[in-house]
Amino acid sequence: AQSVAQPEDQVNVAEGNPLTVKCTYSVSGNPYLFWYVQYPNRGLQFLLKYITGDNLVKGSYGFEAEFNKSQTSFHLKKPSALVSDSALYFCAVRDRSTGGFKTIFGAGTRLFVKA
Amino acid sequence: GAGVSQSPSNKVTEKGKDVELRCDPISGHTALYWYRQSLGQGLEFLIYFQGNSAPDKSGLPSDRFSAERTGGSVSTLTIQRTQQEDSAVYLCASSFGEEDTQYFGPGTRLTVL
Repeated sequence: AQSVAQPEDQVNVAEGNPLTVKCTYSVSGNPYLFWYVQYPNRGLQFLLKYITGDNLVKGSYGFEAEFNKSQTSFHLKKPSALVSDSALYFCAVRDRSTGGFKTIFGAGTRLFVKA
Repeated sequence: GAGVSQSPSNKVTEKGKDVELRCDPISGHTALYWYRQSLGQGLEFLIYFQGNSAPDKSGLPSDRFSAERTGGSVSTLTIQRTQQEDSAVYLCASSFGEEDTQYFGPGTRLTVL
């Protein structure tokens, strides 16, 4: 069965500093990996995804993530954080080997960016 | 419509009553998903529908929960004999294909008194 772990409930970073939100996964086959963001009082929005190919994926709002198969990780990164990046971030995984669409989300990491 | 819509946006019910939550996916999207988000928690997978295939119901927490998708479009999530622990935000999403991004609706906030 697939699973996702986001080991940090909360990440605090100063505006202008780089940020990292961690995600590790477990699947029996190869994964599809996703990051979504939930801003206060707004719905979940897609940030980026890894399907195949280049391990470094670039997404919306300057975010990127690196797929590391050996470490089964897909950490979200941004070189310079903005106060407006403060939100709840979810990592998600789908097991390609099952051929199904079942997607498992992590518990979420709340990012606080301080001015 | 432009996005996924859900109704009602809020539902307050009494313990033991049945509720129905509705989801209208993006037109043309073949996959539809239901999730539950409890206060301060992550997203819990409930069920998904893909085309004409049998739905994956593996995330439904009990037999009080059921879902249908009619005509490959609109879906209804039904919770029978609601309990207080059913209180949560129920999110619906749709996507076009297996690799594709899921687009989420605004959710239905269910409160069971």
